[in-house]
Amino acid sequence: KNQVEQSPQSLIILEGKNCTLQCNYTVSPFSNLRWYKQDTGRGPVSLTIMTFSENTKSNGRYTATLDADTKQSSLHITASQLSDSASYICVVSERSGGYQKVTFGTGTKLQVIP
Amino acid sequence: DGGITQSPKYLFRKEGQNVTLSCEQNLNHDAMYWYRQDPGQGLRLIYYSQIVNDFQKGDIAEGYSVSREKKESFPLTVTSAQKNPTAFYLCASSIYKGSSGRLYTQYFGPGTRLTVL
Repeated sequence: KNQVEQSPQSLIILEGKNCTLQCNYTVSPFSNLRWYKQDTGRGPVSLTIMTFSENTKSNGRYTATLDADTKQSSLHITASQLSDSASYICVVSERSGGYQKVTFGTGTKLQVIP
Repeated sequence: DGGITQSPKYLFRKEGQNVTLSCEQNLNHDAMYWYRQDPGQGLRLIYYSQIVNDFQKGDIAEGYSVSREKKESFPLTVTSAQKNPTAFYLCASSIYKGSSGRLYTQYFGPGTRLTVL
């Protein structure tokens, strides 16, 4: 069964500090991996997308890495801001013909405090 | 102003009633999706549609129904057969090119929170 596991479940950091969120997956055959940011009570917004051949992808202060061999990804947030407080969801797509099956992680809830 | 909208934002339902959640997009996307989000769980796919007048069941379709009469609209009906309907419902849309086999980025709406009283 395809699974996407994220850690930690929740995290509190001080404003201005860096943090790293982890994502491990068992999805196969792998197609791509996305990180989404979801503010409370809102829909998720895509941050990055990486395919098998990509090791790293940046979007401003967000940098995602992918190790397809170990099936691990991380999302690094630099110089955190209060507006970074949200849930971060790792989403892995499986290549399966016309419709690619998507598996969502349960998310890491990040709280940035002053 | 392009985007995907859902209404209402909050919805209350009595047990035994059917309710319909609206989802509209003006992104000219072919594919649309409905997900359910529960605390401590990842998003789970209810139904998806790749073209007008066609839709497929997702992982948890029981107790739900959809229609896709227009490209822009993909309403979800939560029927009385759904035993535990209280949840946050998210609609999404994406480009779909079946021949490419590629999944394009899904754009999500703001969500509808359904509560059964």
